[in-house]
Amino acid sequence: KNEVEQSPQNLTAQEGEFITINCSYSVGISALHWLQQHPGGGIVSLFMLSSGKKKHGRLIATINIQEKHSSLHITASHPRDSAVYICALRGNGDKLIFGTGTRLQVFP
Amino acid sequence: DAEITQSPRHKITETGRQVTLACHQTWNHNNMFWYRQDLGHGLRLIHYSYGVQDTNKGEVSDGYSVSRSNTEDLPLTLESAASSQTSVYFCASSESSRRTEAFFGQGTRLTVV
Repeated sequence: KNEVEQSPQNLTAQEGEFITINCSYSVGISALHWLQQHPGGGIVSLFMLSSGKKKHGRLIATINIQEKHSSLHITASHPRDSAVYICALRGNGDKLIFGTGTRLQVFP
Repeated sequence: DAEITQSPRHKITETGRQVTLACHQTWNHNNMFWYRQDLGHGLRLIHYSYGVQDTNKGEVSDGYSVSRSNTEDLPLTLESAASSQTSVYFCASSESSRRTEAFFGQGTRLTVV
C-alpha cells in the first residue's frame, strides 16, 4: 500500500466551481506540503501544514492529523489553476514522500 | 532574491556517457535533495545531503552519485547513462527545521538515446 494516496487522479471543472483534492496518508509526519506543477514547469510550494488550516487567496488547505488526511480547496476556480497538484509528506530527515498528483483542468 | 537553479534545463545524451546535472541554491540551506519524476510514479528520491561532505542514498540511487563540497551546490552524476534514466530531474532544498518550506528547481529533462 502506498504511504500517500491522492484523489481524484484527474479532475475537470468549469470556471467558477469549487474544487477539492484529497490526500490520505498512513505514516507519521512532521508536516504535509501541497505543491503545484504547471505543464512542463517547475514545482511550486503552495502550503506547508502541520496542523489546522491555511489560506492564501483562493486556496485553502486543511489537515487532520488524527485522521491522517488533508484537503486542498480552490474557490472560484479559474483556467489558470489548471495544473497538477501534489501532496507530499515531510518525514524523518526532512525527506519528502510524494503522491502521484491530481491533474486539474479548468475550462472557461 | 534567494533561489534554486538547475542546469541544463534539457539534455540529450547517449547511452554509456557520463552526465552531470547541476543544482545551485542561494538560500544557504543545509538540506539538498535530488528527485526524479516519471509518468505513473510520484517524485522519487535519488540522493540527499544534510550538509557539506554529507551524502546519502535515496530509494532509487543505483547508477547515480552526488558530492557536496560546499553549501550551495549538489551536482548529480550519472556514471554511465542508461535509457531507464530518461526522466525529469528536480533538485530541492530546505532548512533543517520542520517550520520551513522546501524549494524546488525548475527541473532538468534528460533523454538518454
